Amino acid sequence: AQSVTQPDIHITVSEGASLELRCNYSYGATPYLFWYVQSPGQGLQLLLKYFSGDTLVQGIKGFEAEFKRSQSSFNLRKPSVHWSDAAEYFCAVAPTGNQFYFGTGTSLTVIP
Amino acid sequence: KAGVTQTPRYLIKTRGQQVTLSCSPISGHRSVSWYQQTPGQGLQFLFEYFSETQRNKGNFPGRFSGRQFSNSRSEMNVSTLELGDSALYLCASSWDAPSGANVLTFGAGSRLTVL
Repeated sequence: AQSVTQPDIHITVSEGASLELRCNYSYGATPYLFWYVQSPGQGLQLLLKYFSGDTLVQGIKGFEAEFKRSQSSFNLRKPSVHWSDAAEYFCAVAPTGNQFYFGTGTSLTVIP
Repeated sequence: KAGVTQTPRYLIKTRGQQVTLSCSPISGHRSVSWYQQTPGQGLQFLFEYFSETQRNKGNFPGRFSGRQFSNSRSEMNVSTLELGDSALYLCASSWDAPSGANVLTFGAGSRLTVL
């Protein structure tokens, strides 16, 4: 069965520091991979996606993610965090079509 | 263009009642999916509709149902509400690319509280 693991439930970083959120997935083939962000009381906003090709993908708000097939990982990174980045981050995989499997999320707190 | 619109945004029901939630997808998107988000279970897939047909279904009891209209708008219904149905219900739409490489665009959700 497909599964997505986000091992960090909560992360606290200082504003201006770098950030890496981890995501590992379990699936036989390479699925489509996504990172979404959710602010309190809101829906999910797409940060970036990986379908194929270059394993380093760029997204909105200065985020990037790297797909590593050997590690079944799709970690999200940002070189310098802003206070407005505080939110919940979800990694998702879509083995086929529109049935997405989401991780449990990582809550990010940014300290001024 | 307008995003995914969900109504109502907030609602309170009592146990045993039923509820209907509505979702208007992005214009041109023919696939609509529904997810339930709770603190304990996270985001769970309910079902997906495409061209008025349920194409995929998650592992939820039959009390959860949905439908899609010819204009791609979708509704989901939960009958005989239980306390555990309290959740944020998220609707997402997509264009449905032939390759299967789709991106879900989410609405802001409908927050259901069951008392």
